[in-house]
Amino acid sequence: DSGVTQTPKHLITATGQRVTLRCSPRSGDLSVYWYQQSLDQGLQFLIQYYNGEERAKGNILERFSAQQFPDLHSELNLSSLELGDSALYFCASSVATGRILQETQYFGPGTRLLVL
Amino acid sequence: DQQVKQNSPSLSVQEGRISILNCDYTNSMFDYFLWYKKYPAEGPTFLISISSIKDKNEDGRFTVFLNKSAKHLSLHIVPSQPGDSAVYFCAASAQLRGGADGLTFGKGTHLIIQP
Repeated sequence: DSGVTQTPKHLITATGQRVTLRCSPRSGDLSVYWYQQSLDQGLQFLIQYYNGEERAKGNILERFSAQQFPDLHSELNLSSLELGDSALYFCASSVATGRILQETQYFGPGTRLLVL
Repeated sequence: DQQVKQNSPSLSVQEGRISILNCDYTNSMFDYFLWYKKYPAEGPTFLISISSIKDKNEDGRFTVFLNKSAKHLSLHIVPSQPGDSAVYFCAASAQLRGGADGLTFGKGTHLIIQP
């Protein structure tokens, strides 16, 4: 158990809909990362938040957005869903104080999204 | 453009023998490398990492070797055990701003340990 929790575990929805995925980082971790794992693309970095602020962006679509709240949990919002958005979405967290240059990211169990 | 490549989608090894998983990268800015293990329906689990200032890091049965000039790293598992059967991901990051950024992952190697 990594200490990172994600809800829901599974989500089935229709094209055009909007969903919200939730992540709680490990206790003490300030940074949250979102990744998408699809069959053809593998694990792709989407976005990072550090202590409530966006820190880095990867291959995140404009239809997707995220935020990190004062209690450090994060939500990933996916809107105008398309069939191709079906994937596993992982959240990871790290301490990310900025004083440690090379940190390990710990992953949650993921949310499996199926768009029909 | 794949910056981290794991060219073997699968690898079969006999129990008790050495498993060697390989990973190549193209981005010379990468300076921290990690290996994750993943079982079906679970998130990636951190195994071992190596900084670019080292060429070897060992943790129990797991050793990671880094050859910077060849932009190549490998994970050695000795001895291999049935519980090691999983998908192994190589990941890399460039610590450009004094903190962790998003990781770039390879597509994974499915390791199968044969009894």
